[in-house]
Amino acid sequence: GQQLNQSPQSMFIQEGEDVSMNCTSSSIFNTWLWYKQDPGEGPVLLIALYKAGELTSNGRLTAQFGITRKDSFLNISASIPSDVGIYFCAGQRENTGNQFYFGTGTSLTVIP
Amino acid sequence: EAGVAQSPRYKIIEKRQSVAFWCNPISGHATLYWYQQILGQGPKLLIQFQNNGVVDDSQLPKDRFSAERLKGVDSTLKIQPAKLEDSAVYLCASSFGGSTYNEQFFGPGTRLTVL
Repeated sequence: GQQLNQSPQSMFIQEGEDVSMNCTSSSIFNTWLWYKQDPGEGPVLLIALYKAGELTSNGRLTAQFGITRKDSFLNISASIPSDVGIYFCAGQRENTGNQFYFGTGTSLTVIP
Repeated sequence: EAGVAQSPRYKIIEKRQSVAFWCNPISGHATLYWYQQILGQGPKLLIQFQNNGVVDDSQLPKDRFSAERLKGVDSTLKIQPAKLEDSAVYLCASSFGGSTYNEQFFGPGTRLTVL
């Protein structure tokens, strides 16, 4: 099935630093979602994007829907210890019955 | 608003045994999804329901996996018989079901260990 490529696979940063991660696909998507998953829990929706070029913020998080519709970016500013977790992107293609394809995940570790 | 509920949270079985998982979606959500998440990977869609009908089950191993959503609300996912490679977290998600603004909300998952 369709897989989205996320990078980087893992990140180790100091508290207070900014973080950037991205997600790319060979297919065009009409929706991008970004999720955070804590150990032992289900993914929690962070940001939803619906239009190419759209830039949306949620607190210290900002995500963008790439112009080519084949990629998306997530930025976290001024990271804090509770940002630790695995971040997943998910994309939805047109005419696929609302199915979302998930990325491979970016594991974030914040060092206090 | 109550979230997606799943039970049990954990299950340990031996290979060749059967197991069933239950999911109660967010009230009013027409679309329900079952995902399999193997350790270190992103969720993989197993089956998608729209009300009580199957929209997509192309990645469901139908020789051993089955799912139903008889009344268009709760759903059960069954594995019979289980194999070692079925060890994973099984996530249920639901969404409103419209053509746009179709965010999926996940339950906490059931962690299955097959010995």
